[in-house]
Amino acid sequence: SQQGEEDPQALSIQEGENATMNCSYKTSINNLQWYRQNSGRGLVHLILIRSNEREKHSGRLRVTLDTSKKSSSLLITASRAADTASYFCATATLSGYSTLTFGKGTMLLVSP
Amino acid sequence: EAGVAQSPRYKIIEKRQSVAFWCNPISGHATLYWYQQILGQGPKLLIQFQNNGVVDDSQLPKDRFSAERLKGVDSTLKIQPAKLEDSAVYLCASSSLQDRNYGYTFGSGTRLTVV
Repeated sequence: SQQGEEDPQALSIQEGENATMNCSYKTSINNLQWYRQNSGRGLVHLILIRSNEREKHSGRLRVTLDTSKKSSSLLITASRAADTASYFCATATLSGYSTLTFGKGTMLLVSP
Repeated sequence: EAGVAQSPRYKIIEKRQSVAFWCNPISGHATLYWYQQILGQGPKLLIQFQNNGVVDDSQLPKDRFSAERLKGVDSTLKIQPAKLEDSAVYLCASSSLQDRNYGYTFGSGTRLTVV
């Protein structure tokens, strides 16, 4: 079963614009992570935000987490053509071995 | 540090044949995962190992899928017999108990096509 649901499913923007992707989840979490996947390749870890954090930055990435609404957003500022990829949110639950459960992803296309 | 190694990169087999995938995780990572990613979907966990032991295989179709992790290092995932719906990318990932806040490291995956 998939815990996170990303929105939108697809996003098309021009270089230099900002891209915002949202993720909603259902159960309580320990942390939430964002991954990028270029076509035909493995996933790359971008950023992790813990349940007691509200905002985190890493370079051009900004992630927010609202545990009351069970939602997160990923903002990519000043996007580049190289940012074209699929982006997935993944949640780690509080119990057990903290397995990651992935959403269906947002496909981002950045045009030059 | 070397990444997670997977082989082969691509495999095409006929239905009812068997296939095996291999994964070598990052040195020292105690936890190893196999995920299945069907085209257009997010990865779905098949099995999770902690050292040699299985800690979660609830979504592994055990009538046809099997996996093992030898000496807490390399792992193989086998499908026998394969069905058309097994066509997917099989991703291996590893993580460290000490670095649980740093996410997983994924391999490049094996793209399986069952015809």
